[in-house]
Amino acid sequence: DTAVSQTPKYLVTQMGNDKSIKCEQNLGHDTMYWYKQDSKKFLKIMFSYNNKELIINETVPNRFSPKSPDKAHLNLHINSLELGDSAVYFCASESQGVGTEAFFGQGTRLTVV
Amino acid sequence: GENVEQHPSTLSVQEGDSAVIKCTYSDSASNYFPWYKQELGKGPQLIIDIRSNVGEKKDQRIAVTLNKTAKHFSLHITETQPEDSAVYFCAASRGTYKYIFGTGTRLKVLA
Repeated sequence: DTAVSQTPKYLVTQMGNDKSIKCEQNLGHDTMYWYKQDSKKFLKIMFSYNNKELIINETVPNRFSPKSPDKAHLNLHINSLELGDSAVYFCASESQGVGTEAFFGQGTRLTVV
Repeated sequence: GENVEQHPSTLSVQEGDSAVIKCTYSDSASNYFPWYKQELGKGPQLIIDIRSNVGEKKDQRIAVTLNKTAKHFSLHITETQPEDSAVYFCAASRGTYKYIFGTGTRLKVLA
């Protein structure tokens, strides 16, 4: 029973397209995150949400729009994809965002061609 | 700004030897320091964590030490096994919906 699940696992698309990544957690957590991992394996926070409300937007271009319909879901929509958006995107959840274990999904490898 | 430095970037050890990975953080308000292990094709998974009111924590072959004065914390893995091979990340959090991750250490355990 997967705790944090992301779909799709792989996404290959052309420049200029719009795509979405979905994330769901069944842990009952209040806080959810999106992290980006680049080709050098650097993990950088993009967004954090608590109870459907945006808490942190870490200077991410507004082509990226997260949406949290309820506290168990945090989806990421990306408009006008660019080559530099190619990366692995990880969703994660945490009980309350106050410094406890974060549970990560398996990642979505996005390749923009 | 907030920053976590991690060293070394790669580490090769013989099976059975110990491995040590070190991190330094910049935000003195950080109070939670987790370590994550990332295997190929998977998301990071917590292996051990420590809070700022504790100097050392051990869980079987894994231990973490924290020096708040120097803003250093380290991961120690003893009796390494091939399945310990992975990328390890340290992180720091001040409990405000944000983790700052280190740059990662690729550990290879040679059989």
